[in-house]
Amino acid sequence: GAVVSQHPSRVICKSGTSVKIECRSLDFQATTMFWYRQFPKKSLMLMATSNEGSKATYEQGVEKDKFLINHASLTLSTLTVTSAHPEDSSFYICSASGLAGANTGELFFGEGSRLTVL
Amino acid sequence: KQEVTQIPAALSVPEGENLVLNCSFTDSAIYNLQWFRQDPGKGLTSLLLIQSSQREQTSGRLNASLDKSSGRSTLYIAASQPGDSATYLCASYRGATNKLIFGTGTLLAVQP
Repeated sequence: GAVVSQHPSRVICKSGTSVKIECRSLDFQATTMFWYRQFPKKSLMLMATSNEGSKATYEQGVEKDKFLINHASLTLSTLTVTSAHPEDSSFYICSASGLAGANTGELFFGEGSRLTVL
Repeated sequence: KQEVTQIPAALSVPEGENLVLNCSFTDSAIYNLQWFRQDPGKGLTSLLLIQSSQREQTSGRLNASLDKSSGRSTLYIAASQPGDSATYLCASYRGATNKLIFGTGTLLAVQP
């Protein structure tokens, strides 16, 4: 299947700083990318949908000014957690769909990024 | 609003046993349904995708079925192995979009 890469896989930061997480589709063009958040021992919750070249669409209850999403190219989307606080500590996972999955509707997921805010 | 539930939440079986994981959803008008595997601290690995017009998909020792009328999907794992130990998640697609609604997951432990 298609490969989606996330970086960094782990990040620890101080409260009040901003952290950027990258999501790249390595062997296909991702017209749409999705960002999910997963709390310990919980399932994944969709945060936002980003389409290349346009503003992200956020799910209800997700602060768009806190979680900045940019999808500037067909292979890269970034999630920036601004002024991070301990409650933002979580596992963030991106997924992508595009030409590779267009015929099957299948999504491909990154390896996830573990954010710990001290 | 679509809700996806998985039963059991945790399951422990001896190696070699066949097992079934259950997934139920409240809105039968689902588009596609996908099963994933998640290892601790890792991302998701897609196992099987069942499109709305299909009733089942098979890959190796895995077989997933979809019954939209009853709002259920099952993942059958034959001859389980310790390497199958992981959390298994089912997810339904929200309408004809690629937005996934995830189930609560089943934590599987296969004892050697």
